[in-house]
Amino acid sequence: EAQVTQNPRYLITVTGKKLTVTCSQNMNHEYMSWYRQDPGLGLRQIYYSMNVEVTDKGDVPEGYKVSRKEKRNFPLILESPSPNQTSLYFCASRGDGYQPQHFGDGTRLSIL
Amino acid sequence: EDQVTQSPEALRLQEGESSSLNCSYTVSGLRGLFWYRQDPGKGPEFLFTLYSAGEEKEKERLKATLTKKESFLHITAPKPEDSATYLCAVLNSGGYQKVTFGTGTKLQVIP
Repeated sequence: EAQVTQNPRYLITVTGKKLTVTCSQNMNHEYMSWYRQDPGLGLRQIYYSMNVEVTDKGDVPEGYKVSRKEKRNFPLILESPSPNQTSLYFCASRGDGYQPQHFGDGTRLSIL
Repeated sequence: EDQVTQSPEALRLQEGESSSLNCSYTVSGLRGLFWYRQDPGKGPEFLFTLYSAGEEKEKERLKATLTKKESFLHITAPKPEDSATYLCAVLNSGGYQKVTFGTGTKLQVIP
């Protein structure tokens, strides 16, 4: 089954404690993205990747890092989380051309 | 900068009461307009892609249409299971082909 898998699904943590949210896709897609979703603001892109070792900033990259060492994986790293990063996060992937994105089920992060 | 505006923000319908959701957009070279459905606690689920003005796509009670400035998602005789948030997104023609989302329309269908 084609899918995008995120882990963990839920996380409550404290300010300053480094965390990583993993994302893996099994569709051999080139493009992968991270979004955050906040009430009234919709989905906003954090970072994206066009292929292995090729990443770039989206609309709201501050406080986040990513890496793309393998085609299937695209982890999101919060080196020093702060309360304003409390949000619902989605990973997405898509193939080449004008293909729609496939989304994971989301990770709800609470930073206290 | 690409922009997507969806209206209304929320819509409450009686079962069987047809209506339309609107998605207005400005984009630097439209390569595709996408409609997604999002249920609470879930990721967006793909519904349709529209590529050019005049195009229409249908799936069960849903029909999506596209003009040069906006898209409509028509819902005919909705059922309670159609309750969800519907998201519109545009894909531009830039090097990365950036996708920009609207904030969605939350649809509630009352039995």
